[in-house]
Amino acid sequence: GIQVEQSPPDLILQEGANSTLRCNFSDSVNNLQWFHQNPWGQLINLFYIPSGTKQNGRLSATTVATERYSLLYISSSQTTDSGVYFCAVLNTGTASKLTFGTGTRLQVTL
Amino acid sequence: DSGVTQTPKHLITATGQRVTLRCSPRSGDLSVYWYQQSLDQGLQFLIQYYNGEERAKGNILERFSAQQFPDLHSELNLSSLELGDSALYFCASSVFGGRETQYFGPGTRLLVL
Repeated sequence: GIQVEQSPPDLILQEGANSTLRCNFSDSVNNLQWFHQNPWGQLINLFYIPSGTKQNGRLSATTVATERYSLLYISSSQTTDSGVYFCAVLNTGTASKLTFGTGTRLQVTL
Repeated sequence: DSGVTQTPKHLITATGQRVTLRCSPRSGDLSVYWYQQSLDQGLQFLIQYYNGEERAKGNILERFSAQQFPDLHSELNLSSLELGDSALYFCASSVFGGRETQYFGPGTRLLVL
C-alpha cells in the first residue's frame, strides 16, 4: 500500500517562531488532509489539499502532487499549536480509506 | 466542532468483555468510517459504510464488527476484548464516501484492564 512519511518526527519551538512540516507519499493521491491532534486527543481538520496552496490564518499548506509531497507552514507559533500534526492521504484508485503518516510532534514553549 | 458525535467519550472495561461504540455523522453525510489509534500501530482505518452498506474494510479484527443504521448512525462492536485493544477509536464522516474531506469525531478512549 501507499507509504506516508512525515518529517521531522519531533520539533521544539519557541513561541513566535516559524516552522515547516513535510509529508512525502509514495504514490499518486486524490485526497490529502492535514490534521492537528491536540493534547486532549481530538483530531482537528486543518486543510483538505490534494494539490495547490491554501492559507488559513497563521497556517498554510502546499501540495505538489506530481512530486508527491506536501508542506505545512506554521508562522508565529503559539503554545496552543502544540500537539501532533498528521498528514493523511487517499490513494488514487483504492477505497476511500485515509492512510496516515506517523506524525510530527510539535512543542511550543514560552 | 466537526459535527460528528461519538459516545461514550471514555470506556473502561475488562478483558473478555464486549463494548459498543456509537457514532452520529454530520448532517447530510452518507458515509461513515472507523479508525483506531494505538500506540504501536498509529492511526489505522478499520471499516467504511456508505448509506447502510459496507463499502471498504481495512485492518479490522474478526472480533470487531460494525453496522450503519437507516438513520445513518453507526456502531462499532468490539468483543472478547484484549489488553491490546486499548486505543482511541475515531469515527469520521463524509458526504459521499469518495475523495472528499473526512471529518473526525472527538473519539472514544477505550481502556481494557
